[in-house]
Amino acid sequence: KNQVEQSPQSLIILEGKNCTLQCNYTVSPFSNLRWYKQDTGRGPVSLTIMTFSENTKSNGRYTATLDADTKQSSLHITASQLSDSASYICVVRGRNSGGYQKVTFGTGTKLQVIP
Amino acid sequence: EAQVTQNPRYLITVTGKKLTVTCSQNMNHEYMSWYRQDPGLGLRQIYYSMNVEVTDKGDVPEGYKVSRKEKRNFPLILESPSPNQTSLYFCASSSTRGADPEAFFGQGTRLTVV
Repeated sequence: KNQVEQSPQSLIILEGKNCTLQCNYTVSPFSNLRWYKQDTGRGPVSLTIMTFSENTKSNGRYTATLDADTKQSSLHITASQLSDSASYICVVRGRNSGGYQKVTFGTGTKLQVIP
Repeated sequence: EAQVTQNPRYLITVTGKKLTVTCSQNMNHEYMSWYRQDPGLGLRQIYYSMNVEVTDKGDVPEGYKVSRKEKRNFPLILESPSPNQTSLYFCASSSTRGADPEAFFGQGTRLTVV
């Protein structure tokens, strides 16, 4: 069964500090992995996408990594801001020879940045 | 502005009273889906639609119906709501072209069934 597991479930950090969120998946064959940010009471918004051949990708203060061999991804947030407080969801898409592949959602990591 | 619009944002209803949550997208996307989000369980897919008049069950379809008569609209229908359907609901749409289509989510509908 395709699964996506995220850790930690929740995290509290001080403003200005860095943090790293983890995502482990069993989806196979793998197509791509997206990190979404979900502010409280709003729909998720895509931060970045990682494909099979990519190891690292940055989007401002967010840097995502992917190790397709160990089926792990991480999202590193640098110099955190209060506006980074949100849930971060890892979403993995499988791959096949054609057609649209269903995605599998992680349960998310709830990040709280405090002053 | 490209967006997915859900209505209503908040809804409190009583057990057994039929309700419809609307979803509309203006991006000409083929693929639309409904999710519910519950604490500790993440987003779970209820139903999805690959295109007009094509719908299929997701992981948790029991107690829900959908229709896709037009490309832009994908309403979620609860014929006889029950308290265990109290949840936060999201509609999403995406293109089916390319290997990496991004899903665009609506703002969510918080439903309480008493």
